[in-house]
Amino acid sequence: SAVISQKPSRDICQRGTSLTIQCQVDSQVTMMFWYRQQPGQSLTLIATANQGSEATYESGFVIDKFPISRPNLTFSTLTVSNMSPEDSSIYLCSGEANYGYTFGSGTRLTVV
Amino acid sequence: SQQGEEDPQALSIQEGENATMNCSYKTSINNLQWYRQNSGRGLVHLILIRSNEREKHSGRLRVTLDTSKKSSSLLITASRAADTASYFCATDGRDSGTYKYIFGTGTRLKVLA
Repeated sequence: SAVISQKPSRDICQRGTSLTIQCQVDSQVTMMFWYRQQPGQSLTLIATANQGSEATYESGFVIDKFPISRPNLTFSTLTVSNMSPEDSSIYLCSGEANYGYTFGSGTRLTVV
Repeated sequence: SQQGEEDPQALSIQEGENATMNCSYKTSINNLQWYRQNSGRGLVHLILIRSNEREKHSGRLRVTLDTSKKSSSLLITASRAADTASYFCATDGRDSGTYKYIFGTGTRLKVLA
């Protein structure tokens, strides 16, 4: 099954700055998903990223705030732009595996 | 909301008892999965059930799926303190023509030793 390496695992950022999160998969996956998990909450889907096309964003999420790249079938990035304290959360990527979906270990972001 | 609902939101039981969690979803699905998440950690995949299956077992886990009711249940038998975690269902399928992988709201399970 696919293994996803996600980095950074955590970061503390100043408001107004941007952070790019990377996910590297050890095998090719067609679809990748980016989620946000706020403290004590479930995972909320931000967008679906397919290779070679623009990401599809869920309601409440926009490309200017969360630009996503998917240059090939093993890699994707999510940028959290112009951060505010409300963006403090865990961000996770996911890709399709044989038995379901595999997840990166998450990025814990704190915006101060 | 994009998310499915899970109930109960929180469950506290004694070690050795069974724990049942329910998940309802909104769209047609290809399959449904259950995950566990220990506090502050990553997601662990527990079990996948396909839309044409009604029941599946894995060790102390039993999952049922009723596509007519758009619902699933996860039963953990003979619970242990180590089962303390949050449990989420997730569905993949099409919603308004777009393929999505959506999580339920989760159940926080606490098993008391």
